[in-house]
Amino acid sequence: NAGVTQTPKFRVLKTGQSMTLLCAQDMNHEYMYWYRQDPGMGLRLIHYSVGEGTTAKGEVPDGYNVSRLKKQNFLLGLESAAPSQTSVYFCASRFRREVNEQFFGPGTRLTVL
Amino acid sequence: AQTVTQSQPEMSVQEAETVTLSCTYDTSESDYYLFWYKQPPSRQMILVIRQEAYKQQNATENRFSVNFQKAAKSFSLKISDSQLGDAAMYFCAYGDDKIIFGKGTRLHILP
Repeated sequence: NAGVTQTPKFRVLKTGQSMTLLCAQDMNHEYMYWYRQDPGMGLRLIHYSVGEGTTAKGEVPDGYNVSRLKKQNFLLGLESAAPSQTSVYFCASRFRREVNEQFFGPGTRLTVL
Repeated sequence: AQTVTQSQPEMSVQEAETVTLSCTYDTSESDYYLFWYKQPPSRQMILVIRQEAYKQQNATENRFSVNFQKAAKSFSLKISDSQLGDAAMYFCAYGDDKIIFGKGTRLHILP
């Protein structure tokens, strides 16, 4: 099993460009999450999904959109990137039954110039 | 809104000693879960310990234990017999469907 994978691992964008980050998990988890990690700020929840076809806002959703068309994939989109979105992005997933540990991907380092 | 506060940005402990990391949270819910995660320099997030709010007994995992005070909304992590490999960022997290994290405590282990 690959666990949770994230594509790409690194990316540099110019202000105003768009991109999509892909998170994939092969553990049949119902719940999936997108976080961003910035120095001194910990992990902040952007959006999450409790099942295929459903999404919900987290703590810092502005400037991001998500989609969960397939159970195993959770996409994070930046329509018009801004320098404030420079961050490390983590995806995580877990089972619905009995709130248990989240399994995290390796992270994507995004720089917006 | 739920919040998680870790008031110690950095801490240091001598190898083999005991250290306690603090975490408080704010919620109006009665059923929820609490977690401590460790993030070493590799950036990988590793679950250290988990506590269900409906359980009064404090969770323990080998050298790691928690002091869960539900009324005070406090969830501290105690690391006994600290080892060099314990050096990392430690994050406290709260939630049920939605899991939110504190800002973290960087733990240094002094040889």
